[in-house]
Amino acid sequence: DQQVKQNSPSLSVQEGRISILNCDYTNSMFDYFLWYKKYPAEGPTFLISISSIKDKNEDGRFTVFLNKSAKHLSLHIVPSQPGDSAVYFCAASGPRIKAAGNKLTFGGGTRVLVKP
Amino acid sequence: NAGVTQTPKFRILKIGQSMTLQCTQDMNHNYMYWYRQDPGMGLKLIYYSVGAGITDKGEVPNGYNVSRSTTEDFPLRLELAAPSQTSVYFCASSLTGLEGYTFGSGTRLTVV
Repeated sequence: DQQVKQNSPSLSVQEGRISILNCDYTNSMFDYFLWYKKYPAEGPTFLISISSIKDKNEDGRFTVFLNKSAKHLSLHIVPSQPGDSAVYFCAASGPRIKAAGNKLTFGGGTRVLVKP
Repeated sequence: NAGVTQTPKFRILKIGQSMTLQCTQDMNHNYMYWYRQDPGMGLKLIYYSVGAGITDKGEVPNGYNVSRSTTEDFPLRLELAAPSQTSVYFCASSLTGLEGYTFGSGTRLTVV
């Protein structure tokens, strides 16, 4: 049973345009959400996060939106650049109890290709 | 600052062989994790540790063992390798578990 789902396995976008990546979750106990970026032959790197008390978090070209009622979050990349071509993973955690390890549950990833 | 270091980067094992995947971090992080990533899939948690001497199972622990004798090291042991364990293995660490993880570059394991 996948608790975190990324239904689009791939996305192709023109350089300079907006990339929108979507993620859905089923576990209502999740209260912290993250996006990771992964290049081939490298480990994932943390990109941006959002707490369930917010509905938007912005960091430069990256914005994450959270819709708790729909159990849906999205990542917007504006403007998209060729260097953004990578696999993006959505992840969720909660409840955030230190003793429980604050384990992350990952989605299956979306491969983004930004065309020059 | 090396971050999270995993060795080896690649390994081919025969069915039934054993091996240890090494993971070490130099950031004095309390929390460490082992994930595996199968082709086209997300990362699944194998084991995790909230501090030296403390380990617990994740989502897919069968066929693996871990130990955490020091804060820095979190080795993953495969005792009897099976083809189903062919995967890319990632080790990660976190200071408090309340922020994003730092991942190693991965170990690509093939069991034939």
